[in-house]
Amino acid sequence: DTAVSQTPKYLVTQMGNDKSIKCEQNLGHDTMYWYKQDSKKFLKIMFSYNNKELIINETVPNRFSPKSPDKAHLNLHINSLELGDSAVYFCASSRRSGNTIYFGEGSWLTVV
Amino acid sequence: AQSVAQPEDQVNVAEGNPLTVKCTYSVSGNPYLFWYVQYPNRGLQFLLKYITGDNLVKGSYGFEAEFNKSQTSFHLKKPSALVSDSALYFCAVRDPPNDYKLSFGAGTTVTVRA
Repeated sequence: DTAVSQTPKYLVTQMGNDKSIKCEQNLGHDTMYWYKQDSKKFLKIMFSYNNKELIINETVPNRFSPKSPDKAHLNLHINSLELGDSAVYFCASSRRSGNTIYFGEGSWLTVV
Repeated sequence: AQSVAQPEDQVNVAEGNPLTVKCTYSVSGNPYLFWYVQYPNRGLQFLLKYITGDNLVKGSYGFEAEFNKSQTSFHLKKPSALVSDSALYFCAVRDPPNDYKLSFGAGTTVTVRA
């Protein structure tokens, strides 16, 4: 009964490929996020959805496309992967009017 | 824009000694402040938060933090550190209603030696 779950946990792929990371939350939250953690462990928000509507879209290459089929799911699709996309991607969720954001276990993406 | 600074990349303490991890913030309004911990190859775990009320907040695993508005600080503390507290600690801030996203500091690696 993991609160925020994301798959896959580890992903190794070649440059130029397209890949997706899936995320699901069972907390009943209405807002979901994608964060990227780089090799220096710095965390930066990429996207946020509230009730399936995009509310935060930071400066992210348009090769990254989030999709939220419903409030409980937020998937991240990445086209034409580059070496610099290697990072840990964290999914998270919260109530829109709430304050605590809960994170998943992360997806380690390595582009070779 | 909101921001968080964690001035120490690393903190080393002996087991049983007090542990302090420093955090200062900058926001335009009243901050929501958080501490998270990340163990190796794991996700971020929520430790505690300050929203309003008592400046001293208590959280998980015996951690506490003190909100100091005049110094714009929110230092994390534990009276007696354990080896198992060794991890990466992140301070984070939200600035509602101006901005609901969570902005993180660069993180502080805590090493507790036996």
